[in-house]
Amino acid sequence: GAGVSQSPSNKVTEKGKDVELRCDPISGHTALYWYRQRLGQGLEFLIYFQGNSAPDKSGLPSDRFSAERTGESVSTLTIQRTQQEDSAVYLCASSFPGRSPGELFFGEGSRLTVL
Amino acid sequence: GEDVEQSLFLSVREGDSSVINCTYTDSSSTYLYWYKQEPGAGLQLLTYIFSNMDMKQDQRLTVLLNKKDKHLSLRIADTQTGDSAIYFCAGARDTGRRALTFGSGTRLQVQP
Repeated sequence: GAGVSQSPSNKVTEKGKDVELRCDPISGHTALYWYRQRLGQGLEFLIYFQGNSAPDKSGLPSDRFSAERTGESVSTLTIQRTQQEDSAVYLCASSFPGRSPGELFFGEGSRLTVL
Repeated sequence: GEDVEQSLFLSVREGDSSVINCTYTDSSSTYLYWYKQEPGAGLQLLTYIFSNMDMKQDQRLTVLLNKKDKHLSLRIADTQTGDSAIYFCAGARDTGRRALTFGSGTRLQVQP
C-alpha cells in the first residue's frame, strides 16, 4: 500500500485478555518502530526493528509486551494479560534507509481500550 | 535520557503568525523535527533541522534553533484553520538508538 497500515483501528478488550496489533510498513522501509500514545500525552518509544539486526526493545514497559517482525515486512505487537493502564493509541512507523533518523512515516494507530 | 518540553496549548486568530516553542536537554541531538497530528490521525512530518543550522524556512514554516539554549521553535505564517492540530517536536541522534524522543505536544487552536 501507499502508507503504513495498522489493524485493528480500534480494539476494546477485557482486563487480563491478550491482544495483538498489526503493522504493515511501507514497502522497502527497513526500519520499523512502535510507539505508545496515552491520552493527552506525547509518544513513548516501545521497540525498534532495523533490517536483520537485533531489535531495540529498551522501551517495552514490561515483559507482558513483545513484538515480532517478519523480515522487513509485517510486525505484530502483542500485549499479554492486558491492564487498564495499557489503554492508549499504539502507533507504528517506518522509515527508509538513508533518510535522517527521525523521518518517520506513521500509521493512523490502533486505539486500545482495556475495560 | 532526553527530555523534550513544550507548552500545552496555543490559540491564535486566522491570519496571524503562530510560534510554537520547544526545549530539549540532550545536546547530542543531531536532528530536530516538527510533526503535526490532526484529530484521529497519525503523525505527519512537517520539517526538520540539522543541529549545525540556525534556521530553516519552508514555505509558511520557519524553524529556529538556538543550540546554546537548547531551544527550538516553529513559526507558522498566515495561520489557517486547517493548521489546527497538535504539534510535536522531537530529537534524534545520528548514532546509537535511532529512535525519536517526543515532547508532549502543543495543541494549536486557530480561531476564525
